[in-house]
Amino acid sequence: NAGVMQNPRHLVRRRGQEARLRCSPMKGHSHVYWYRQLPEEGLKFMVYLQKENIIDESGMPKERFSAEFPKEGPSILRIQQVVRGDSAAYFCASSPGLSTGSHEQYFGPGTRLTVT
Amino acid sequence: KQEVTQIPAALSVPEGENLVLNCSFTDSAIYNLQWFRQDPGKGLTSLLLIQSSQREQTSGRLNASLDKSSGRSTLYIAASQPGDSATYLCLRWARGGTSYGKLTFGQGTILTVHP
Repeated sequence: NAGVMQNPRHLVRRRGQEARLRCSPMKGHSHVYWYRQLPEEGLKFMVYLQKENIIDESGMPKERFSAEFPKEGPSILRIQQVVRGDSAAYFCASSPGLSTGSHEQYFGPGTRLTVT
Repeated sequence: KQEVTQIPAALSVPEGENLVLNCSFTDSAIYNLQWFRQDPGKGLTSLLLIQSSQREQTSGRLNASLDKSSGRSTLYIAASQPGDSATYLCLRWARGGTSYGKLTFGQGTILTVHP
């Protein structure tokens, strides 16, 4: 059973470009979470999604950031018009659905975004 | 104001010692609390999850407890080994107005175990 997969592992973008980060949850998991770890800072929650639904996006910056988890395919975190301050490690986690009674989160290896 | 606080921020011990890492939180309306380790430049590895209705969980040399009334979780590591060296993080899921509340990480405890 493959773990949570994220790609790319490293992404370099120039200021003003778009960044797309992908996350494939563990098999059987229907909940996805995105977190950001800025250099020398802790992990911050960004958004929590189920298939085709955003459950909680209270940690997402209001502008330029969006996330989706379509019925088919991976979850996508999209950052438009990137700025240097977006440089960070972005982690995705997944958990089983409510029917299992568990929200134990399993993390992917992260995508390290560098904005030049 | 830090909602989830981990003490100590760093800990350096000789191999074989028993360790206690603390995670304190301001909101006791908790859904669950999860402990992770993070190795440098890597993702997070789940260690233990404690549901709100539970008091403790154990896995091998690790034991995590949860005391909602005092707003604290403790991770106990028995007979520490150099391979335990990592940053240990706690993640609190607080109950919000709906079933889904707020997910907050502590700042972490950097553990170094010397051979």
